[in-house]
Amino acid sequence: GESVGLHLPTLSVQEGDNSIINCAYSNSASDYFIWYKQESGKGPQFIIDIRSNMDKRQGQRVTVLLNKTVKHLSLQIAATQPGDSAVYFCAENEGYSTLTFGKGTMLLVSP
Amino acid sequence: SQTIHQWPATLVQPVGSPLSLECTVEGTSNPNLYWYRQAAGRGLQLLFYSVGIGQISSEVPQNLSASRPQDRQFILSSKKLLLSDSGFYLCAWSVLASYYNEQFFGPGTRLTVL
Repeated sequence: GESVGLHLPTLSVQEGDNSIINCAYSNSASDYFIWYKQESGKGPQFIIDIRSNMDKRQGQRVTVLLNKTVKHLSLQIAATQPGDSAVYFCAENEGYSTLTFGKGTMLLVSP
Repeated sequence: SQTIHQWPATLVQPVGSPLSLECTVEGTSNPNLYWYRQAAGRGLQLLFYSVGIGQISSEVPQNLSASRPQDRQFILSSKKLLLSDSGFYLCAWSVLASYYNEQFFGPGTRLTVL
């Protein structure tokens, strides 16, 4: 599979811990944000999204927090499992524009 | 439900050879289509996007071109590959003219140029 972790920041956690992955964005006009998960050798998979009129959104074991004041987005994964090991990307867009992707963070979960 | 296919899954090509990567989408009509490249350990670089048949926007000047001969078919091509064209190529689609641009990705094609 692809070695996506060579230059990426890495977060290492123990199985069962909660994980927090952070993302700073630059466009203050961005009003839509997505978190993607990319496993080695595969395409990115949509996890959760949030619109700018919200500051928190929850899914199954995942929560996204949006702080527009400091242009910061975070993804919280509860009870992290080995299957959560992957590279996580945030993405943003403004209106009808194309998505702008962050650089990605590799999450490594140890049993 | 919608699905997106890419082929081939892997490809090894010599420098100077041509390239054709194909992407097709099922289960939706009039999608926006995108080609991205991902170098090892890097993020996603948008190469091309299309809002309709024959309509291609290029984001990065390079050795590649894209075409959309049918509504749900997107092709990435090159006449002569360079070593720097190696990477993981991803196709994605989104709903046409959607304000919230949620994109869905295909499985990718790993291209190695030798």
